[in-house]
Amino acid sequence: NAGVTQTPKFRVLKTGQSMTLLCAQDMNHEYMYWYRQDPGMGLRLIHYSVGEGTTAKGEVPDGYNVSRLKKQNFLLGLESAAPSQTSVYFCASRSTGNSPLHFGNGTRLTVT
Amino acid sequence: GDSVTQMEGPVTLSEEAFLTINCTYTATGYPSLFWYVQYPGEGLQLLLKATKADDKGSNKGFEATYRKETTSFHLEKGSVQVSDSAVYFCALHPYGQNFVFGPGTRLSVLP
Repeated sequence: NAGVTQTPKFRVLKTGQSMTLLCAQDMNHEYMYWYRQDPGMGLRLIHYSVGEGTTAKGEVPDGYNVSRLKKQNFLLGLESAAPSQTSVYFCASRSTGNSPLHFGNGTRLTVT
Repeated sequence: GDSVTQMEGPVTLSEEAFLTINCTYTATGYPSLFWYVQYPGEGLQLLLKATKADDKGSNKGFEATYRKETTSFHLEKGSVQVSDSAVYFCALHPYGQNFVFGPGTRLSVLP
């Protein structure tokens, strides 16, 4: 049981480049989330999805896009990376009701 | 809006010391409450949870009780180990809304 898997684990981009982070979960969870974690800022929600084919903005959505074409996958895209997007990105998923979040191990992104 | 306040870290303890990490919250309604732990280089892992007032969550020697009257969910452990060194996050989940996380408390346990 892999849980939540994020790829890649590390990535270095130059300003203006684009990339996609992939999150896959094998728990048949309805809800999926993308967070970023920065020193002194805690966890901040970027985008989330309440089911296949749906997406919604979190508290820091600017500069990011997401897609949930399949229930098990949630993609986070950066169209034109900026140094301010240097961060550790975490994907999470959960079932319905009071169920807890299950997190992946993160993607460390550096934008130079 | 809903919020979570945690004690500022870092917290440094000697092995076998008693641990308390304070967590208080502001929320409308009756949220579920969680403690997550993050070890270096890893994602957050669920440590324990409580879904209603007076519930006690426990796991791996850690405990926390949902106190509605004081809006608190303090994390305790009777005897910490070096392997407990990590960052601990208190979180609440209001029904039908997104999770709200505290800023995290870094714990260092010295041998």
